[in-house]
Amino acid sequence: EPEVTQTPSHQVTQMGQEVILRCVPISNHLYFYWYRQILGQKVEFLVSFYNNEISEKSEIFDDQFSVERPDGSNFTLKIRSTKLEDSAMYFCASRATGGVGNTEAFFGQGTRLTVV
Amino acid sequence: AQTVTQSQPEMSVQEAETVTLSCTYDTSESNYYLFWYKQPPSRQMILVIRQEAYKQQNATENRFSVNFQKAAKSFSLKISDSQLGDTAMYFCAFMKTNTGNQFYFGTGTSLTVIP
Repeated sequence: EPEVTQTPSHQVTQMGQEVILRCVPISNHLYFYWYRQILGQKVEFLVSFYNNEISEKSEIFDDQFSVERPDGSNFTLKIRSTKLEDSAMYFCASRATGGVGNTEAFFGQGTRLTVV
Repeated sequence: AQTVTQSQPEMSVQEAETVTLSCTYDTSESNYYLFWYKQPPSRQMILVIRQEAYKQQNATENRFSVNFQKAAKSFSLKISDSQLGDTAMYFCAFMKTNTGNQFYFGTGTSLTVIP
């Protein structure tokens, strides 16, 4: 069964360093998402991506964040200068199509980012 | 703004018994989707069940069913005949029917099935 894969499963980085979280969505999917969950809090939407551009982003997704689909298979989230408060579990998700016809999103197992 | 509230951080149930996880939400939208996702330990979130707001009939998937009360903005999940493999974190989620289709999640309920 196809699945969304995320690497690494756990990343530890020093404050101020750049970090790239990687995701391989399901191959025929067109919509891609990043979510994060700070420990003990709700899963929060960061950004959605379609047709090689950001379609929607939350207030969390400031200039420190960027997303890219560099080679048609990977979908990356980059944090330029990490802060302690960026420590969270980051989930990637993908969907086959948009609109109401196909609502199921498939999630990866997450990358736990720890900023020290 | 959309908010989703899960008021039970942790729950436990005896194997073969029934358990209900609660979820309430707030929205001004008239049409939307509601979901329950399950996340087993160290595994990805998988869809358990989905409900379209315009459908009055409660969704059912095998041992999983929902009690959708649109006026009360309540969307609880009932798990019948609980199995050990049901042990997981359960997230309630809301989705608007716009093109972005982002999810709004609750904080989750950690369910433990006791043998």
